[in-house]
Amino acid sequence: DSGVTQTPKHLITATGQRVTLRCSPRSGDLSVYWYQQSLDQGLQFLIQYYNGEERAKGNILERFSAQQFPDLHSELNLSSLELGDSALYFCASMGTNTGELFFGEGSRLTVL
Amino acid sequence: TQLLEQSPQFLSIQEGENLTVYCNSSSVFSSLQWYRQEPGEGPVLLVTVVTGGEVKKLKRLTFQFGDARKDSSLHITAAQPGDTGLYLCAGQSNDMRFGAGTRLTVKP
Repeated sequence: DSGVTQTPKHLITATGQRVTLRCSPRSGDLSVYWYQQSLDQGLQFLIQYYNGEERAKGNILERFSAQQFPDLHSELNLSSLELGDSALYFCASMGTNTGELFFGEGSRLTVL
Repeated sequence: TQLLEQSPQFLSIQEGENLTVYCNSSSVFSSLQWYRQEPGEGPVLLVTVVTGGEVKKLKRLTFQFGDARKDSSLHITAAQPGDTGLYLCAGQSNDMRFGAGTRLTVKP
């Protein structure tokens, strides 16, 4: 158990719809990273937050947005969903002194 | 576009064999990490290397960071079926970027 919690674990929806993925980082970790992993692919960096502020942005589509709340949990919003958005979405928090990323179990999104 | 290129993409070997996988980049990183991911789970950190030329050993796994801090290798001695998984390297600069991974299968 990494201490990072992601919900939901599985989500099936239709094209054009909007979904929200939620992440609770490990207790004490201030950084949250979001990654997308398609079938047999590595992890594509989407966005990073630190203590509520956006720190870095990767290849995140304009249809996607995220935020980190005062209690440090984070949400990734995916809108106008397309078939190609089907993937595993991982959230990770970074240990303050170690630089290690602790990953949640991921949210598997299927767009039909 | 992957900043970190990993090779080979797939590797299937017999139990007891040795193997090396590579992680290369044109960028310099302040640190480089190796993670292993098993099906249905998130990646788990194996090691962090920070200093150019650094070598770290973790039981049968040996990790090396290139002198210029742009590349790294992971060598596994006497591979076991339990080593099966997706091995990912990640470079830290302003954020943490991952390579596409090497998918290793060790057959009994």
